[in-house]
Amino acid sequence: DGGITQSPKYLFRKEGQNVTLSCEQNLNHDAMYWYRQDPGQGLRLIYYSQIVNDFQKGDIAEGYSVSREKKESFPLTVTSAQKNPTAFYLCASSPWTSGEGNEQFFGPGTRLTVL
Amino acid sequence: GEDVEQSLFLSVREGDSSVINCTYTDSSSTYLYWYKQEPGAGLQLLTYIFSNMDMKQDQRLTVLLNKKDKHLSLRIADTQTGDSAIYFCAEKIGGYNKLIFGAGTRLAVHP
Repeated sequence: DGGITQSPKYLFRKEGQNVTLSCEQNLNHDAMYWYRQDPGQGLRLIYYSQIVNDFQKGDIAEGYSVSREKKESFPLTVTSAQKNPTAFYLCASSPWTSGEGNEQFFGPGTRLTVL
Repeated sequence: GEDVEQSLFLSVREGDSSVINCTYTDSSSTYLYWYKQEPGAGLQLLTYIFSNMDMKQDQRLTVLLNKKDKHLSLRIADTQTGDSAIYFCAEKIGGYNKLIFGAGTRLAVHP
């Protein structure tokens, strides 16, 4: 089955700890994205990557870091510098073109709770 | 600036039509999308419309775009309890693959 997987589904972290969220896709998409979702708000873009070994900050990158060593994988690290990390994190991927068919496909999400 | 607005809540009776509205501000939008999110899940793409189209129909879903007023709507015919979810409108800006999302409209379907 082609798709995007995120793990774990639920994650608990103590204050002051870094934590890494996994995102893997087997859709052969060039681009991958990380969003944060808070109650009553739309999705906000944290980081995105167009190709391997390249990534760009989104609108709320502070306190987060990413890597893109493989096309299939785009892990997100939530660092202790992120002031309010409790949220639902969504990963997405898409072909990187300007034409039709470049819609983003989403994973099932990881809910991070800081204790 | 970039902003997408939606009403936060809509309640309809099973079997009626639902209309979810969205307004956006960026005139350079190329594509506009509707996503559905069920509780605790990721977003599922429902449909999208190119900015030079007025309407797109896909089974029970009809998308209407008024580019002059920057208004997008999603009509769901014969709404079922399985349609209960949060619906997000999103616009794609220019040549980038960046999406700007609205806050989502929670659709509640009651008997």
